[in-house]
Amino acid sequence: GAGVSQSPSNKVTEKGKDVELRCDPISGHTALYWYRQRLGQGLEFLIYFQGNSAPDKSGLPSDRFSAERTGESVSTLTIQRTQQEDSAVYLCASSLRQGAVNGYTFGSGTRLTVV
Amino acid sequence: TQLLEQSPQFLSIQEGENLTVYCNSSSVFSSLQWYRQEPGEGPVLLVTVVTGGEVKKLKRLTFQFGDARKDSSLHITAAQTGDTGLYLCAGGYGNNRLAFGKGNQVVVIP
Repeated sequence: GAGVSQSPSNKVTEKGKDVELRCDPISGHTALYWYRQRLGQGLEFLIYFQGNSAPDKSGLPSDRFSAERTGESVSTLTIQRTQQEDSAVYLCASSLRQGAVNGYTFGSGTRLTVV
Repeated sequence: TQLLEQSPQFLSIQEGENLTVYCNSSSVFSSLQWYRQEPGEGPVLLVTVVTGGEVKKLKRLTFQFGDARKDSSLHITAAQTGDTGLYLCAGGYGNNRLAFGKGNQVVVIP
């Protein structure tokens, strides 16, 4: 597709369950980013991929969070043993290698609700 | 840590009025971008400024990058209801990285 696609768009899960969030970036975009946006808050950086490697994982809140990318394409963000404070919109973005100047293209996000 | 402070956090104005929102930092950025985010959607890039003192105009929106490349402003002339949204500034640093502010929530009342 022409844009960044994220699935599911909405996810309600019970506390303690694991969830997987998927991101399909724009074809040819080598850089991929995951952000978290809590209600009324700004974008909180989680992890950055260049190709299939993650040179910066510093934003992952705890070891319950992990992410991978394969084929320089699809990325999956996994949250294990979900907690209520994990409730947020998880945004994925992709960019060309020089994206800091060209800008990021964001998906519409996955709204995660932990009950 | 690159920290961007946006002010005011929330602004409500009548349709037809002008408004200015600000993005400030103590860090120097290689570029500065503004995004607009509407409910249920991801942020959408509006503009990129790269040169200190640069001014860019997009129809009724005017963006300015500070001379020292630490701050920026967004001015909207004759606001319309379609301008309602969360305006995010983002500063470029390092290799291909952006740091985001918390946003300016703008509400234009008809």
